Amino acid sequence: EADIYQTPRYLVIGTGKKITLECSQTMGHDKMYWYQQDPGMELHLIHYSYGVNSTEKGDLSSESTVSRIRTEHFPLTLESARPSHTSQYLCASSGIPGTRYNEQFFGPGTRLTVL
Amino acid sequence: GQQVMQIPQYQHVQEGEDFTTYCNSSTTLSNIQWYKQRPGGHPVFLIQLVKSGEVKKQKRLTFQFGEAKKNSSLHITATQTTDVGTYFCAGGNQFYFGTGTSLTVIP
Repeated sequence: EADIYQTPRYLVIGTGKKITLECSQTMGHDKMYWYQQDPGMELHLIHYSYGVNSTEKGDLSSESTVSRIRTEHFPLTLESARPSHTSQYLCASSGIPGTRYNEQFFGPGTRLTVL
Repeated sequence: GQQVMQIPQYQHVQEGEDFTTYCNSSTTLSNIQWYKQRPGGHPVFLIQLVKSGEVKKQKRLTFQFGEAKKNSSLHITATQTTDVGTYFCAGGNQFYFGTGTSLTVIP
């Protein structure tokens, strides 16, 4: 089983609140990713990181920010939550440094509901 | 960005029937990965294909990478109820997943 963790697992919050979704991995992976996924639908890339102090935007990044101060930690922040942010957020990591191994390991996800 | 489409979007099969999902890219892919997501779960890595025309098998699952490295397929022989889930391909740099095929197996 992969060692990648997300908290909280479930979150219900009111419109306008600032929230941070946590993601940590203990595998030493250099790459980390955030995806948004509605039930039964495709994964949309929000942000990704190649390593410490590296962050890039994906398709749905305009309303969120990330940071990568430590290799193992990749939090996602929504500055002002809206009902349209209601979804599942999946964090993933890949890439053992110095190898070409790039399978993505996913966390259990955070299911966010914005009222 | 890179476009990776999958067909069909949904597939219902009787248990014991075969199933195939196809992944098509608008650009040449350096490699392709396949993932399975059970209902309520998160995607789990199945396999990676790298070489043109590569074929790999995992028990009842057969994965193929096209000669032009723009398409791939996943074939399941004699489906079982444990095969239920959504199958995603992920092409090239693995940042962009395909649209997924949701498989329902009717007992």
